[in-house]
Amino acid sequence: ETGVTQTPRHLVMGMTNKKSLKCEQHLGHNAMYWYKQSAKKPLELMFVYNFKEQTENNSVPSRFSPECPNSSHLFLHLHTLQPEDSALYLCASSQDSGQGSETQYFGPGTRLLVL
Amino acid sequence: GENVEQHPSTLSVQEGDSAVIKCTYSDSASNYFPWYKQELGKRPQLIIDIRSNVGEKKDQRIAVTLNKTAKHFSLHITETQPEDSAVYFCAASHTGGFKTIFGAGTRLFVKA
Repeated sequence: ETGVTQTPRHLVMGMTNKKSLKCEQHLGHNAMYWYKQSAKKPLELMFVYNFKEQTENNSVPSRFSPECPNSSHLFLHLHTLQPEDSALYLCASSQDSGQGSETQYFGPGTRLLVL
Repeated sequence: GENVEQHPSTLSVQEGDSAVIKCTYSDSASNYFPWYKQELGKRPQLIIDIRSNVGEKKDQRIAVTLNKTAKHFSLHITETQPEDSAVYFCAASHTGGFKTIFGAGTRLFVKA
């Protein structure tokens, strides 16, 4: 359960605040992901980083800004969010072996409430 | 665009009965199909996966079947137990791509 960690676990912020979510993986993986999980909706992929390079940006609003300084750390910077951005934000990592898609390991998530 | 449809959204079974969850995918290039279980307040965790070169895979009480022609895959849980109660997500992705498409989830209730 400690392979992928996320901080903070809970966050309440106003619409004018700036905050950052942090994810760290201790599995030696080379790909990291941000997902948004809202009630009664599928997991929505937001960003993918492979070897620190962003490979996917799933039409995410610019008020969400990812940062991947190395293969073990991933951040999501939040700025002027809207109440509809309230959700569980999940980080995941996987190992690209070149043989095909691999299992993603998820962190515990950050539950975000935007007031 | 690519999508994965999952049914049913809610499933209630009696302990000991079987449960079946079905998914359909749209991207014919998909060749990896994982299933995740998410218990209340916890993170999604992989329970079983299947690749396109096999039609069925089994792990104790859990099995997954894949029909590539019809673009269908299903999760089968036999002899259900109360601890099987959770939300189950199917997903589809393909080699060389990092974009995994998830189904909307099935909330399974196993009544003791």
